[in-house]
Amino acid sequence: EDQVTQSPEALRLQEGESSSLNCSYTVSGLRGLFWYRQDPGKGPEFLFTLYSAGEEKEKERLKATLTKKESFLHITAPKPEDSATYLCAVLRISEGGSNYKLTFGKGTLLTVNP
Amino acid sequence: GAGVSQSPSNKVTEKGKDVELRCDPISGHTALYWYRQSLGQGLEFLIYFQGNSAPDKSGLPSDRFSAERTGGSVSTLTIQRTQQEDSAVYLCASTSGPSYNEQFFGPGTRLTVL
Repeated sequence: EDQVTQSPEALRLQEGESSSLNCSYTVSGLRGLFWYRQDPGKGPEFLFTLYSAGEEKEKERLKATLTKKESFLHITAPKPEDSATYLCAVLRISEGGSNYKLTFGKGTLLTVNP
Repeated sequence: GAGVSQSPSNKVTEKGKDVELRCDPISGHTALYWYRQSLGQGLEFLIYFQGNSAPDKSGLPSDRFSAERTGGSVSTLTIQRTQQEDSAVYLCASTSGPSYNEQFFGPGTRLTVL
């Protein structure tokens, strides 16, 4: 069974204090790993897709990296507006081979204080 | 352009009643997904529609849950004989192709079963 574990569950940072969020996974036949941001009362908003170990992607203050067992979301010099829940999800082909399965972690709640 | 929309935004119902939740995907998106997000839990996959193919219903938790997608566009998720454990936020997402493309989420419907 696919498992996606995100840590920490919650993280509180001061503005400008860089840190990393972790997403460790156990999945057979990974086809991609997604990062989403979710603000309270809203649906998740896509950030990145990573497809293979060693891949990195950046967007503003965020950088996502991928290894064979985990992904990190690095936040450099965060601002209060970066406060949100960050979700990761892993994608694999379903048992029948006809569909893809996306399994989400429970998320990390990030709070950035001014 | 318009994003994914869902209605109602909030629904309060009594235990045992049936409810219908609606999702309007982004125009032209062929794939549509329903997820459930309970407090403190990750997004739980419910059902997946891709074009004219048979839907992947493997995530539906019981036979009280059903969904349809009419004309390859609007989708309705129906929960019959609601139970208190059905209380959650129900999210809909759509993509322009297979699920390895980024999914665009709606704002969700918060269902409360009294």
